[in-house]
Amino acid sequence: GIQVEQSPPDLILQEGANSTLRCNFSDSVNNLQWFHQNPWGQLINLFYIPSGTKQNGRLSATTVATERYSLLYISSSQTTDSGVYFCAVDSNYQLIWGAGTKLIIKP
Amino acid sequence: GAVVSQHPSRVICKSGTSVKIECRSLDFQATTMFWYRQFPKQSLMLMATSNEGSKATYEQGVEKDKFLINHASLTLSTLTVTSAHPEDSSFYICSAGRPYTAGELFFGEGSRLTVL
Repeated sequence: GIQVEQSPPDLILQEGANSTLRCNFSDSVNNLQWFHQNPWGQLINLFYIPSGTKQNGRLSATTVATERYSLLYISSSQTTDSGVYFCAVDSNYQLIWGAGTKLIIKP
Repeated sequence: GAVVSQHPSRVICKSGTSVKIECRSLDFQATTMFWYRQFPKQSLMLMATSNEGSKATYEQGVEKDKFLINHASLTLSTLTVTSAHPEDSSFYICSAGRPYTAGELFFGEGSRLTVL
């Protein structure tokens, strides 16, 4: 089956810093989504991005489907950005999840 | 965006009792809903796929008699953990996809179950 790998597994940054999270996948996929799980466990859908680049405020994402990776950029980090960021790829309407990147933003 | 609501957000129960978790799509009809389980510091694991009006499809290793799923309407799916035991304590999350959106899924708030 499809393998999804995220890096880095952990990231600690000062408030205001920029970061790049990576998601590699082992086979062609129909789509890819990025999620933020906040410290209370709630999952927020950040981007639905099978290919190309999207931006939403301080966050942006780029997926290069031909090279089987996606990047999530967070600029000017805030403490509220802390949590775990997951990428997930679609396989027949079911999501295959990466292990996540745990992000801690220090004030 | 689409809204999926899950209830209760937190439940504590005694060992041997059953617990029902509801998942509702508030502003769209979801023919398919998914139930996930998340252990501490781990990614989500798909438990089952719930289709309106038919039996749920369970992933390998998930006990269908332990985790009863009912998808009675296009906006409601329920997960019942029967005869719960401490090892069933976990974070359970449901998701649903809007029709014709090619796999984009939206998630409920999650339900944290603690079995004493």
